[in-house]
This record gives sequence, C-alpha cells and structure tokens, in this order.
Amino acid sequence: KQEVTQIPAALSVPEGENLVLNCSFTDSAIYNLQWFRQDPGKGLTSLLLIQSSQREQTSGRLNASLDKSSGRSTLYIAASQPGDSATYLCAVRPLPVNDYKLSFGAGTTVTVRA
Amino acid sequence: IAGITQAPTSQILAAGRRMTLRCTQDMRHNAMYWYRQDLGLGLRLIHYSNTAGTTGKGEVPDGYSVSRANTDDFPLTLASAVPSQTSVYFCASSDRWGSDTQYFGPGTRLTVL
Repeated sequence: KQEVTQIPAALSVPEGENLVLNCSFTDSAIYNLQWFRQDPGKGLTSLLLIQSSQREQTSGRLNASLDKSSGRSTLYIAASQPGDSATYLCAVRPLPVNDYKLSFGAGTTVTVRA
Repeated sequence: IAGITQAPTSQILAAGRRMTLRCTQDMRHNAMYWYRQDLGLGLRLIHYSNTAGTTGKGEVPDGYSVSRANTDDFPLTLASAVPSQTSVYFCASSDRWGSDTQYFGPGTRLTVL
C-alpha cells in the first residue's frame, strides 16, 4: 500500500524567503505525482503535475522535482509572498495506468509572514 | 453556477441518523469522486463513478453509499452515521476516468455526535 508523507506538517517563514516542501512515497511504481494547494475552507487546486519520466516541472515561481527511485518530490516556491499561505498537498497516481486512485499526503501548512 | 457545488456547507448530526451529502457539477464531466479529509491523514477516496450509471469503491467505502443517476449529480449517503465519520468531505470531478485534472468542490464539514 502506497504511503505518502509530508514533513514538516507546518512551516512559517518571513516574506521573501524561498519555500521548500517535501513529499516522500514508499512505492516507486508511480505514474505521476501532483502538487495541490488548499486554501482554508476550500477545495484543492492543482499546481503542478510531474510525469514519472520527468525530473522537474516549473510554473512561474513554482518548481517541483521528482526523484522516483528514492521516492521523493520537492516543491520549491521562490520569493514567498503572504498570498502563498495555504496548505500544500502532494498526491501520487500509481501504476498500472488504469488505476486512477490517488494517494495523498497529509499536507504542509505554510504561513508567510508579512 | 460554474464548477462543483456541495451542500450543506456544514452539518452537525446525531449518531444513528441518515445523512445525504449533495454534489452537483455543471461541467458535464464523466467521472466523479468522493473523498474524506481527516487531520494528519490527507484525502482518502470513498467512492467514485467513472460514468453515469456506474460506481466503484475507493479506499474507505464502509458505511457510505453513492448513486449516479445522471451526469451532474453524485450524492453520498451515510445510512447510519457514527462519530468516526466526522470529517470534511470533498466531491471532485474530471472530464473522463483517468484524467489527471480533478476539480474539487468547497467541501462539507460533518460532525457526528
């Protein structure tokens, strides 16, 4: 059974600092990995998706890396802003490709202090 | 409306009562999902439907049932609620089964006493 872990559970940084969020998974047989953002009282919004064949994916200030063999992904957020305050979750999609049941981490709650 | 709506926003329920959480999407998506989110555990899939008329069990289906009579609606029913079903419930949809882009509703916060 796939286990997805996100450490730390919470993080507080001053505005302008770079954020580094970690995600680890136990089974390297994954199809892809996705990072989501969740604002308080809201649903999830997808930020980045990395296919298993990719090493990284970038969107604006966000960069996600994937090391499938070691079971790790990292989400980097450059020059953090108070608007980046949210909970960030990672989710892995397993193989085979027709098994579309995501395994989610518990998330890292980020607070960016102005 | 646009996207996914869920109702109610929150509910306090006595143990043993029956409860239906409603989910409606207007994107004509084929696939729909119900998740629960508990502190420290992340989201877990309860049930899913890959097209109208078909449903399937997820990771934690016990105590829950679903139906998919049409494309737009995917209600989740707790036949006899128990305190361990206290959670935040999210409905999601995707244009097809297997699509990596899921759209999430705002959630229903359910407390069973």
